[in-house]
Amino acid sequence: DQQVKQNSPSLSVQEGRISILNCDYTNSMFDYFLWYKKYPAEGPTFLISISSIKDKNEDGRFTVFLNKSAKHLSLHIVPSQPGDSAVYFCAASAREYGNKLVFGAGTILRVKS
Amino acid sequence: GAGVSQTPSNKVTEKGKYVELRCDPISGHTALYWYRQSLGQGPEFLIYFQGTGAADDSGLPNDRFFAVRPEGSVSTLKIQRTERGDSAVYLCASSPRTSGATGELFFGEGSRLTVL
Repeated sequence: DQQVKQNSPSLSVQEGRISILNCDYTNSMFDYFLWYKKYPAEGPTFLISISSIKDKNEDGRFTVFLNKSAKHLSLHIVPSQPGDSAVYFCAASAREYGNKLVFGAGTILRVKS
Repeated sequence: GAGVSQTPSNKVTEKGKYVELRCDPISGHTALYWYRQSLGQGPEFLIYFQGTGAADDSGLPNDRFFAVRPEGSVSTLKIQRTERGDSAVYLCASSPRTSGATGELFFGEGSRLTVL
């Protein structure tokens, strides 16, 4: 039972264009959402997060949008850079479950120069 | 170093053997997590410590898996009678936040376990 789903295994984008990574969740108890970025042979690193009381959070080139009614969130990267090429994981947590994160399977982003 | 440190980075063992994986969290972080990542999947929760005690071990797949954190800092994940299906990258993460709070986790680079 996958509670967090990233349906696109990979995405290829031209440098300078927008990258949009999508994530869907099924558990309505989730109240905090995070995106992690992972390079090969490294651990995941935190990128950006959003609380369920918001619908948008922006940090430089990265913006996360949350649509609670659709149980959907997305990560926008504008403009995309070759160094953004990595695996991106969506994760969710619920206060009732402590700080335990539930991860999606990840999306491989390739930014072509 | 300032980050989460995991050893060994790579471990190859034979089916049926016992392995230990070590995690040294960021100094002062009270919460420590173990995750397992299989090929093509996201990290999967195993166990969470708040201080010395296991606050949630619901992710441990069976009783061959056990983890300790005796002094509230370093943690060891122990796997008995390893099976080929245990092959994965085992990730450790720590967090400065107390139980029940949300926040980011800081991950180590992982220990890649291969069971032949």
